[in-house]
Amino acid sequence: DAKTTQPNSMESNEEEPVHLPCNHSTISGTDYIHWYRQLPSQGPEYVIHGLTSNVNNRMASLAIAEDRKSSTLILHRATLRDAAVYYCISSGGYQKVTFGIGTKLQVIP
Amino acid sequence: NAGVTQTPKFRVLKTGQSMTLLCAQDMNHEYMYWYRQDPGMGLRLIHYSVGEGTTAKGEVPDGYNVSRLKKQNFLLGLESAAPSQTSVYFCASSNTGVGANVLTFGAGSRLTVL
Repeated sequence: DAKTTQPNSMESNEEEPVHLPCNHSTISGTDYIHWYRQLPSQGPEYVIHGLTSNVNNRMASLAIAEDRKSSTLILHRATLRDAAVYYCISSGGYQKVTFGIGTKLQVIP
Repeated sequence: NAGVTQTPKFRVLKTGQSMTLLCAQDMNHEYMYWYRQDPGMGLRLIHYSVGEGTTAKGEVPDGYNVSRLKKQNFLLGLESAAPSQTSVYFCASSNTGVGANVLTFGAGSRLTVL
């Protein structure tokens, strides 16, 4: 399964866009890319996922590189409620997935 | 819509005591998982189940047992608790284990072993 690499932490000003990067250079052709986030003292929650094409939902957008070796989660206007740890995972099956330490996003008022 | 419910939310045990964490989901999901989360280490898979009556080992299964007697419930047991098992435990479920299916997590159970 593809190992993912993310920066340990990032900062953003409130109401500005945030681009959270993820590298998954060993991804296989059928592996989806998923993003989850974990708010303080809560369980992780699903954010978005995709296979090849860019995806948008009410929470975020996911931009997937053409070679699929990297992706970027885009929060269009960061709010204080978006301060969380963001996990990028890529695997053919959740039983093989390892959630790394993710990217801790700090939103500055 | 409850989703995934974990009980208890908090528990303090003494070394050597036993306990069971209960995970219940109301989404008719086939797959269920138990993770533990320790500071600076992300989420690690303990055991998982691909359907009623099945269980399998994850990345860190030692010291834990699980059972899936009913589709909606997944129990995590500690037969003889150790301080190294102090952690936050998360249960999750998914419709299947692959591809586009997403995980739904519970709120977590914080266990302290003295």
